[in-house]
Amino acid sequence: NAGVTQTPKFRVLKTGQSMTLLCAQDMNHEYMYWYRQDPGMGLRLIHYSVGEGTTAKGEVPDGYNVSRLKKQNFLLGLESAAPSQTSVYFCASSLGLAGADTQYFGPGTRLTVL
Amino acid sequence: KQEVTQIPAALSVPEGENLVLNCSFTDSAIYNLQWFRQDPGKGLTSLLLIQSSQREQTSGRLNASLDKSSGRSTLYIAASQPGDSATYLCAVDTGGFKTIFGAGTRLFVKA
Repeated sequence: NAGVTQTPKFRVLKTGQSMTLLCAQDMNHEYMYWYRQDPGMGLRLIHYSVGEGTTAKGEVPDGYNVSRLKKQNFLLGLESAAPSQTSVYFCASSLGLAGADTQYFGPGTRLTVL
Repeated sequence: KQEVTQIPAALSVPEGENLVLNCSFTDSAIYNLQWFRQDPGKGLTSLLLIQSSQREQTSGRLNASLDKSSGRSTLYIAASQPGDSATYLCAVDTGGFKTIFGAGTRLFVKA
């Protein structure tokens, strides 16, 4: 039982490049989330999913897209990276609704956009 | 707009000391409050979740309290150990997939 895993752990991009972050969970959780964490700030929700095939916008969705084609995977895409997207990205999952149920977090992806 | 504040931003204590971490929120209309631990370069680990109808939760040396009316929560750590050194974050759930996180308190326990 690996819990929540994220790929890659680190990445450096140039402005305008694209990339996809992969999140996988093996706990059969319905709900999955993508957050970003910036220095001196709390985590902010980018996008979330309430089940396979569904996605919804969170607090800071601009510049990101997501897909949940399989229940266990949640992908975060950056189509045209900008320096403002330099951050640490965390994926999380929960069995029930976040807040009613514990969220389990991945180890994070540190992204730098030059 | 819900805001979550954690003070102090950093704290250093000698081993064995009992300590309290503070979390305040501006809107008392919350579903629950959760405390997390974050180790450097790692993800968050949930420590305690307090439902809005509860006043406190305990796990081992940790005790978290919730006072919705005053917009406050505290995390009490008894007999602190060097292994407790980490960043502690609180988060409030306001419903509708809106979990608001504080910026965290970085704790260092000196041996």
